[in-house]
Amino acid sequence: DAGVIQSPRHEVTEMGQEVTLRCKPISGHNSLFWYRQTMMRGLELLIYFNNNVPIDDSGMPEDRFSAKMPNASFSTLKIQPSEPRDSAVYFCASSFSGVGELFFGEGSRLTVL
Amino acid sequence: DQQVKQNSPSLSVQEGRISILNCDYTNSMFDYFLWYKKYPAEGPTFLISISSIKDKNEDGRFTVFLNKSAKHLSLHIVPSQPGDSAVYFCAVRDNYGQNFVFGPGTRLSVLP
Repeated sequence: DAGVIQSPRHEVTEMGQEVTLRCKPISGHNSLFWYRQTMMRGLELLIYFNNNVPIDDSGMPEDRFSAKMPNASFSTLKIQPSEPRDSAVYFCASSFSGVGELFFGEGSRLTVL
Repeated sequence: DQQVKQNSPSLSVQEGRISILNCDYTNSMFDYFLWYKKYPAEGPTFLISISSIKDKNEDGRFTVFLNKSAKHLSLHIVPSQPGDSAVYFCAVRDNYGQNFVFGPGTRLSVLP
């Protein structure tokens, strides 16, 4: 059974460029989460969706970050324009709301030069 | 303010001995607690969980203890093995059952 699928696994870009990270949650899960991992802050929640609706985006750093979930099987996290301080590993995770645990993808490592 | 704290950034233990990882949380309304394990270049993977109605849950070498009055959670690994070397994250699920909050992690090194 496929887990959470993220792409790209690695992205290197220059400051000012647009970055789009993609996520396919586990089929049947109705909650989707975007986390960012940094040395300083550990796993930091950026935004989560329930039934494709954004529930809490208070963790999104600033207006340069946006996330969408157009359907139950796809989500994007976009950074425009990107800055060096955005360099981190971004994880997508999914769950069935209210039941059990969170399942993570393998992450997208972003480096902004 | 951090809702979930793991005050030890790192821990080293000898192979075969017990590893104890600690976690404190601030909100007494949290109802479900989890531990995740993370290897480099991989996503976190679920290890073990406990509901707020229990105080202990055991799965093989892993046992999680919950002290609700102290708002404290701990993970015991016994015996520790070199393959257990990883970063361990404590996580809580809020009482609406929708959001998961993670601690900053503890890096465990099990020495052969």
